[in-house]
Amino acid sequence: DQQVKQNSPSLSVQEGRISILNCDYTNSMFDYFLWYKKYPAEGPTFLISISSIKDKNEDGRFTVFLNKSAKHLSLHIVPSQPGDSAVYFCAASGQGGGADGLTFGKGTHLIIQP
Amino acid sequence: ETGVTQTPRHLVMGMTNKKSLKCEQHLGHNAMYWYKQSAKKPLELMFVYSLEERVENNSVPSRFSPECPNSSHLFLHLHTLQPEDSALYLCASSQEFLQGYGYTFGSGTRLTVV
Repeated sequence: DQQVKQNSPSLSVQEGRISILNCDYTNSMFDYFLWYKKYPAEGPTFLISISSIKDKNEDGRFTVFLNKSAKHLSLHIVPSQPGDSAVYFCAASGQGGGADGLTFGKGTHLIIQP
Repeated sequence: ETGVTQTPRHLVMGMTNKKSLKCEQHLGHNAMYWYKQSAKKPLELMFVYSLEERVENNSVPSRFSPECPNSSHLFLHLHTLQPEDSALYLCASSQEFLQGYGYTFGSGTRLTVV
């Protein structure tokens, strides 16, 4: 049973517009959420995170929103740039902390069209 | 070198071979992880080491054998693998064994079992 779900395998957005990537989770014990970005032939790199005590965290062009009641988070990228084309993974951490590792979604391939 | 380095980048092995994957981190982190990424699946946690002690083994078959000789190095020894073990194997590290810290990933080893 997948505890972190990214239901869109791919997303195509025009350069300069907003990209919205979605993630749903089922485990109510998760209390920290992260987004990772992965280019081909490279490992995932940490992008932005949010604690369950917050509902929004912003870092430059990237904003993550958390809706705990809906068990849903989203990553907004605005404006989208060609270098944003990559696979984006949503990940969650529970109260077990590092011992449980991170639980990842399958990823969404974001394609920024010129 | 900085970051997390994995070698080799690509590996093709027969089902009767024995090989090892190597991971090295120069970040002073205390926890290291092995993840597996199969096609169209989320990243799956395999092993967690904290301060050179294994603290998690996520029901991984015994044909995968991890080794952590010190806090900077992590190995994954492989023997009598199956074709379904073909995947991208990612090593990651984190500063402490605590939730909320983003992981630093290596670029991975692309393993093909023939």
